[in-house]
Amino acid sequence: DTGVSQNPRHKITKRGQNVTFRCDPISEHNRLYWYRQTLGQGPEFLTYFQNEAQLEKSRLLSDRFSAERPKGSFSTLEIQRTEQGDSAMYLCASSLDDRFLSSGNTIYFGEGSWLTVV
Amino acid sequence: RKEVEQDPGPFNVPEGATVAFNCTYSNSASQSFFWYRQDCRKEPKLLMSVYSSGNEDGRFTAQLNRASQYISLLIRDSKLSDSATYLCVVNPHSASKIIFGSGTRLSIRP
Repeated sequence: DTGVSQNPRHKITKRGQNVTFRCDPISEHNRLYWYRQTLGQGPEFLTYFQNEAQLEKSRLLSDRFSAERPKGSFSTLEIQRTEQGDSAMYLCASSLDDRFLSSGNTIYFGEGSWLTVV
Repeated sequence: RKEVEQDPGPFNVPEGATVAFNCTYSNSASQSFFWYRQDCRKEPKLLMSVYSSGNEDGRFTAQLNRASQYISLLIRDSKLSDSATYLCVVNPHSASKIIFGSGTRLSIRP
């Protein structure tokens, strides 16, 4: 399977615990994105990387959230001191770089990581 | 004002009907546009890109109106399997993230 891979697919955690999600993008894609989606809403942008550089971070991303892509390949998204409001599906996506991000070339999603904070 | 706005629906139409969705975007400099389809509790998947001249893929037709800053999706001869949420997606400019609308829910009834 050469698609975007995310794990774990499901995580139930107690409020206050830390969680980490991992994303492995499509191998030739140098852009990697994290989105969050709650019921009835479209995906909300969190952050994205060009290779190992984090180029943009949403204001939605509080200081409890951190994302890394240390070698420009896989990425991790960590949520510290989880709150019930963090319950959502966390989507990772990847794409070729901006020279190709035009009609016909777009981003491809993984299956998502579902987080439930109890 | 949201950067990308869609009618949330739901649209409930009979099988075989034609249905159309619109989506408006706020950034007039936006460069690329897409429609994604999302099934319940699944990830979004690319349905089609939207080209300036309009484009068609089988029963699906996408149009872009830059002057009015909207894109549309037309589905002809709808099938039960078309039931899903349709997400309008805009790339404001090539060096930025992609922005999603909240989605329009479509339900096709037999």
